[in-house]
Amino acid sequence: EVQVAQSGAEVKKPGESLKISCKFTGYNFANYWIGWVRQMPGKGLEWMGLIYPGDSDTRYSPYFQGQVTISADKSISTAYLQWNSLKASDTAMYYCARLWGGFDYWGQGTLVTVSS
Amino acid sequence: DIVMTQTPLSSPVTLGQPASISCRSSQSLVHIDGNTYLSWLQQRPGQPPRLLIYKVSTRFSGVPDRFSGSGAGTDFTLRISRVEAEDVGIYYCMQATQSPYTFGQGTKLEIK
Repeated sequence: EVQVAQSGAEVKKPGESLKISCKFTGYNFANYWIGWVRQMPGKGLEWMGLIYPGDSDTRYSPYFQGQVTISADKSISTAYLQWNSLKASDTAMYYCARLWGGFDYWGQGTLVTVSS
Repeated sequence: DIVMTQTPLSSPVTLGQPASISCRSSQSLVHIDGNTYLSWLQQRPGQPPRLLIYKVSTRFSGVPDRFSGSGAGTDFTLRISRVEAEDVGIYYCMQATQSPYTFGQGTKLEIK
């Protein structure tokens, strides 16, 4: 059974860095693309980017390129989403999901709050 | 970018009655590999999204058969044959044919 465990909620100040994670179990992590999706408070879903853990091939939405870094460590079946300098506008719920046909298995979400 | 337009944005439905949501894309969603990567997701209040349908009409594992998807090219439909109370939430279509992947605005399904 595929399971996804995302890291817990974070409260950060503007300018701080952050790395959140998603651990996948129950299948060969290296062989499926993993995506990240943002949901701002009360808003819809926005695709941020994808990574293929097998070779770390990474694709970004142009709207998030340069704003975040997506990475993965296949040895521990974990994908990451990272910010170097958070802004208040990064406040949102962030989801990871496995891509197969569609995004089939989703994490429970990591709420990131950026406030001074 | 491919724009995904859902209608209606809000759908009050009586329990036991059917419901239908339309999703239109600004470009054809047929991939060069011949597949059409149009999926439907349900997001119940306070929950992460859940995959219902992928590649237009294939129901994901564990999804009740009252949910069905249809369409081709640029026009797609999600149908619920008989709405149940647990179906309340927001429904999104999503295309994964062309990067950047894009979602519809969401359709809120509520019970009358």
